[in-house]
Amino acid sequence: DAKTTQPPSMDCAEGRAANLPCNHSTISGNEYVYWYRQIHSQGPQYIIHGLKNNETNEMASLIITEDRKSSTLILPHATLRDTAVYYCIAPTNFGNEKLTFGTGTRLTIIP
Amino acid sequence: DVKVTQSSRYLVKRTGEKVFLECVQDMDHENMFWYRQDPGLGLRLIYFSYDVKMKEKGDIPEGYSVSREKKERFSLILESASTNQTSMYLCASSLRLAVNTGELFFGEGSRLTVL
Repeated sequence: DAKTTQPPSMDCAEGRAANLPCNHSTISGNEYVYWYRQIHSQGPQYIIHGLKNNETNEMASLIITEDRKSSTLILPHATLRDTAVYYCIAPTNFGNEKLTFGTGTRLTIIP
Repeated sequence: DVKVTQSSRYLVKRTGEKVFLECVQDMDHENMFWYRQDPGLGLRLIYFSYDVKMKEKGDIPEGYSVSREKKERFSLILESASTNQTSMYLCASSLRLAVNTGELFFGEGSRLTVL
């Protein structure tokens, strides 16, 4: 797995876009970047994943730099319910190996 | 709706007791995982399984064992519980070839306290 580095915590005002960075400078060509989040007292929840191109779904957008050494998860209009710990991971082969989650970024949405 | 169900949300056990944590998934997933989560340490993988009767050690297997007799069920066993095993335990499952979906489905967690 590529090592990922995230800031330990961030704040964002309610209604603004939350931009969560992740550094994965050792990522190799076939390693996807995945994002999960964990709301207090619940299990982690899948958000989005991507390889090279930017991706968007109903929850978020994922911007991956051209050199793939970093990415940003964007929550376009953050709400209080988006307060959670966000994990960025880059496993070598998602389906066939263990996944390692770091400590993530604790995002707090401020009213 | 897809579901991973953990048998107990909260448990309190005594040091030295044998503890079983059960996890069942209804998605016919091949892969199942057990993690523990502690403040400041994130999620750490204990054991995982690719198939029935198969198991692989994760990063912190000491003091734990697992059982996968049926595809849908993955049990975590603490042979002799100790206070340092007080933690939140999370079960998860995924398809073997999950590259296209990237989804790992988690249960709600079991908070174990060992006195």
